[in-house]
Amino acid sequence: AQSVTQLGSHVSVSEGALVLLRCNYSSSVPPYLFWYVQYPNQGLQLLLKYTSAATLVKGINGFEAEFKKSETSFHLTKPSAHMSDAAEYFCAAQTGANNLFFGTGTRLTVIP
Amino acid sequence: ETGVTQSPTHLIKTRGQQVTLRCSSQSGHNTVSWYQQALGQGPQFIFQYYREEENGRGNFPPRFSGLQFPNYSSELNVNALELDDSALYLCASSVGGALSWAFNNEQFFGPGTRLTVL
Repeated sequence: AQSVTQLGSHVSVSEGALVLLRCNYSSSVPPYLFWYVQYPNQGLQLLLKYTSAATLVKGINGFEAEFKKSETSFHLTKPSAHMSDAAEYFCAAQTGANNLFFGTGTRLTVIP
Repeated sequence: ETGVTQSPTHLIKTRGQQVTLRCSSQSGHNTVSWYQQALGQGPQFIFQYYREEENGRGNFPPRFSGLQFPNYSSELNVNALELDDSALYLCASSVGGALSWAFNNEQFFGPGTRLTVL
């Protein structure tokens, strides 16, 4: 069975501080891994994806994530938070089937 | 290039009624997946359609059904609505089949339909 765990349903950071959102996956086969962002009353926007090409993945808006097989993790980071980063973030995994398994999400608050 | 669109944006129904939600896939995509996102939760996979056939289903009862049309647009139908069906319903399109891996199975999401069941 495949599952995705996001540690911390709410994360608050000060503007300019490091953003770290945690994601662990459970899968017998290394999956494709994705981070999506969702702004209020909107759909999901892809931030970045891991497809086994490189373990450090750079995405849009200055975000990046590192795939660590030994830790079954795919944490999302950004060196300096902006007010516009305040949103809900979802980690998702996908293996052979085409459906995505999502974590429960982490709401990021940026404090001015 | 037109992205994924969904209609309507909001819908209010009463318990026991039936509802149809619509999704137009992105140009060049032949696969549509539907997800249910309850308040405060991550999206949950309902089912996927590839070339007008159901191609995988999540843990949802048969009263959730769907269709895909020759132009790859799709409908999600829910019968006998229950209060717990209140959610944001997301549609995502992608390239399926033999070419899916070439596109990294990436799914593009629409803005969603917010369904409220009273």
